[in-house]
Amino acid sequence: GQNIDQPTEMTATEGAIVQINCTYQTSGFNGLFWYQQHAGEAPTFLSYNVLDGLEEKGRFSSFLSRSKGYSYLLLKELQMKDSASYLCAVTDSNYQLIWGAGTKLIIKP
Amino acid sequence: GAVVSQHPSWVICKSGTSVKIECRSLDFQATTMFWYRQFPKQSLMLMATSNEGSKATYEQGVEKDKFLINHASLTLSTLTVTSAHPEDSSFYICSARLAEYNEQFFGPGTRLTVL
Repeated sequence: GQNIDQPTEMTATEGAIVQINCTYQTSGFNGLFWYQQHAGEAPTFLSYNVLDGLEEKGRFSSFLSRSKGYSYLLLKELQMKDSASYLCAVTDSNYQLIWGAGTKLIIKP
Repeated sequence: GAVVSQHPSWVICKSGTSVKIECRSLDFQATTMFWYRQFPKQSLMLMATSNEGSKATYEQGVEKDKFLINHASLTLSTLTVTSAHPEDSSFYICSARLAEYNEQFFGPGTRLTVL
């Protein structure tokens, strides 16, 4: 079956760095997405990785290793507004998006 | 950037009535639109995938006669919840995609409460 694993919840301190991991087992691979979702709102796109390596975009970076079926989202200089759920999603061989359950990130002052 | 709108943003209805939710891609033509349902503190659950001009593909366990999807144009898809019941109360989110390799752009969601 297809499976995406990410931690249920993480806590970090304002100004610090946090890494949210995602491992996947899917039928084929056509890219991995990270989305941010604040409570009561729809997800917003953060990043897309299809090749191995690190993609940096401001305070957020996303890494992919296809051979390991592994990705992480790195958030630097954490701000209180970064408190949200972070969803990992993989596009399989049929271009279907397989969603992880999301990681709830709690930022403390 | 790509913008997807949903209407209404929230709706309260009586049990047994039908509710229609619209999803529009405002500045691009979406070849595919997706409908998701999300219960509190849970992740997104894909309900169906719709391509313009063809019948929607429903996920296992989703009743196609209860959740009617129409994708009449490249910028509009509608989801009608027929004979709604309290257990249908949820956050319904649509998304649109330009092409297979593109990311999905999400609408703001519709919160449905069935009394």
